[in-house]
Amino acid sequence: EDQVTQSPEALRLQEGESSSLNCSYTVSGLRGLFWYRQDPGKGPEFLFTLYSAGEEKEKERLKATLTKKESFLHITAPKPEDSATYLCAVQAGGGNTPLVFGKGTRLSVIA
Amino acid sequence: KAGVTQTPRYLIKTRGQQVTLSCSPISGHRSVSWYQQTPGQGLQFLFEYFSETQRNKGNFPGRFSGRQFSNSRSEMNVSTLELGDSALYLCASSFEGVSGANVLTFGAGSRLTVL
Repeated sequence: EDQVTQSPEALRLQEGESSSLNCSYTVSGLRGLFWYRQDPGKGPEFLFTLYSAGEEKEKERLKATLTKKESFLHITAPKPEDSATYLCAVQAGGGNTPLVFGKGTRLSVIA
Repeated sequence: KAGVTQTPRYLIKTRGQQVTLSCSPISGHRSVSWYQQTPGQGLQFLFEYFSETQRNKGNFPGRFSGRQFSNSRSEMNVSTLELGDSALYLCASSFEGVSGANVLTFGAGSRLTVL
C-alpha cells in the first residue's frame, strides 16, 4: 500500500529563519511526487512535481528535492505570507492511479 | 482561464439526509477526482471519473457515489448522512498529457456539516 508521512505536523518559524519540511514515502514505482500549498478555507494549490531521485525544483523562497525514499521542501528566509499547510502526495506508476496525500505540515511564520 | 468551480461552498444537513455536490472542471480537463478532507485523516481519495466512466475508487462505503456528465461536469452524492461525514469535499480536475504524472487542480471545496 502506498503511504506518505509528513513531518513535523506543525512548524513555527521566525521571519527569515530557514527550515525544511520532510515527506517520506513508500510507493510501488513512483510516477510523480507533488507538493501543494493549502491556505485556510481554500483548496490545495499546486507547487511542484518531481519525477526522479536527484531532481530539484525552485520557486521563489521554496526549493523541493527528491531522493528514493523522501522529499524535502526547503524554505529560505520565509515571510509571514508563506504561512500555510504544505501537502505532499505521490502517484504510483502503472496507469492512472490516484494521488495519495500525506496529512501535511502546518507552517506558521511569525513577523 | 476559469478554475475548478464547486457548489455549494457551505451546507448543513442532519443525520439521515442525503446531499449532492457539484463540480465544474477546467475547460478541456476530462478527469475529475473527488477527495474528502478531515483534520484527523487528511485528504482521502473518494473516486475519479474520466469520460463519464469511474476509473478509480477509494475505500469508502457505497453511500458515497458519483457521476460525470458528457461535458465533464461531475457530481457526488452522499446518502444517509452520518456525523462522521462532516468534512471538506474537494474536487480536482486534470489534463492528461501523453506521459508524466497528472497535476491536479483543486476547487475551493464544499464544506459539509452534519448535525
